[in-house]
Amino acid sequence: DIVMTQSPDSLAVSLGERATINCKSSQSVLYSSNNKNHLAWYQQKPGQPPKLLISWASTRESGVPDRFSGSGSGTDFTLTISSLHAEDVAVYYCQQYYSTPQTFGQGTRVEIK
Amino acid sequence: QVQLVESGGGVVQPGRSLRLSCAASGFTFRSYVMHWVRQAPGKGLEWVAVISYDGSNKNSADSVRGRFTISRDNSKNMLYLQMNSLRVEDTAVYYCARGGDGYNLWGQGTLVTVSS
Repeated sequence: DIVMTQSPDSLAVSLGERATINCKSSQSVLYSSNNKNHLAWYQQKPGQPPKLLISWASTRESGVPDRFSGSGSGTDFTLTISSLHAEDVAVYYCQQYYSTPQTFGQGTRVEIK
Repeated sequence: QVQLVESGGGVVQPGRSLRLSCAASGFTFRSYVMHWVRQAPGKGLEWVAVISYDGSNKNSADSVRGRFTISRDNSKNMLYLQMNSLRVEDTAVYYCARGGDGYNLWGQGTLVTVSS
């Protein structure tokens, strides 16, 4: 199984400041046949299901604000919130869909400083 | 509208069974791989099981294999999770999710509590 490890477990950021979350996979999730990283990012607010923010490591879903961006390749990935808004307080998860089981990271809690 | 709605959760004793359902609407259900994902209280997300478009291929997590069975009825736009030999550690909110490039549609979840 591919193990997904996020860092940090939590972070507190001032409104308007940058938040950066890292995700490392135990093996590459770059699929050679399509040259795409099978890596997604989700946002989960209390009492709600997860919401897909980014797929293919860097492709924003429709309607997701452009302050959210994803980067990285192979085994190392980053989710960046360029300017934190109050509504971004949530837990963020990375997930690999390269192979079954399609494992998630443990989550990173983002709070306001 | 495009949605997934789970049902069937509740309180059950260890060793008993429960069947969860997920009703899909607003999209061509038979065109999508479907998943079950669970989340124990205060914990992270755990992938549980997947089923192919036509139900011919299935896979599940080691933690539930041999106890849980995923199935679907494309004529009814329904996804199911048959859960047998339930354990206390199966207590969680169970979500159905539409597969693809990530899981871009989730239900609201149904809570399963396994307790004596």
